[in-house]
Amino acid sequence: DQQVKQNSPSLSVQEGRISILNCDYTNSMFDYFLWYKKYPAEGPTFLISISSIKDKNEDGRFTVFLNKSAKHLSLHIVPSQPGDSAVYFCAASVSSGGSNYKLTFGKGTLLTVNP
Amino acid sequence: GAVVSQHPSWVICKSGTSVKIECRSLDFQATTMFWYRQFPKQSLMLMATSNEGSKATYEQGVEKDKFLINHASLTLSTLTVTSAHPEDSSFYICSANNEQFFGPGTRLTVL
Repeated sequence: DQQVKQNSPSLSVQEGRISILNCDYTNSMFDYFLWYKKYPAEGPTFLISISSIKDKNEDGRFTVFLNKSAKHLSLHIVPSQPGDSAVYFCAASVSSGGSNYKLTFGKGTLLTVNP
Repeated sequence: GAVVSQHPSWVICKSGTSVKIECRSLDFQATTMFWYRQFPKQSLMLMATSNEGSKATYEQGVEKDKFLINHASLTLSTLTVTSAHPEDSSFYICSANNEQFFGPGTRLTVL
């Protein structure tokens, strides 16, 4: 039972354009969401997160949007750069009041930014 | 920023042998570390939560006798894959305390 779904295994975008990566979840208890970037044979690198009390969080070229009613979040990268090419993972957790969250990951979306 | 290291970065072993993977927090203390496994083109799956000074908590379907976890200090957790078999071949990744800090991963290949 995939609680976090990234339905697009890959996405190809032209340099300078916007990349939109989508993620859906089924567990309504999830209240904290994260996006990671991952290169092959490396660990994930944290990009940006959002709490369920917000619907948008922005950090530089990265913006995450959360639609709780639709159980959907998206990561926008503007402008896209060739160095952004990697696998992007969406993750979700149920906050327990502490800082040690168990993460549930999606299967990832391979983003390719063409020069 | 905080750094998490793993050792070894890759290992090849024969079926039936045991392999130990180390996860270290280099500039902070980690009371909790998480161990994940990733099969090719799959998501990272949480295997267990390692708590310093106490027993690890395993996710459903993960055999605790096969994947031994020790978290004896605030900077080190180890995962030992006992009697490894080819189906255990995978990419093992740890994270420490804050969910933002992942190690670089260990590629295990069991022949």
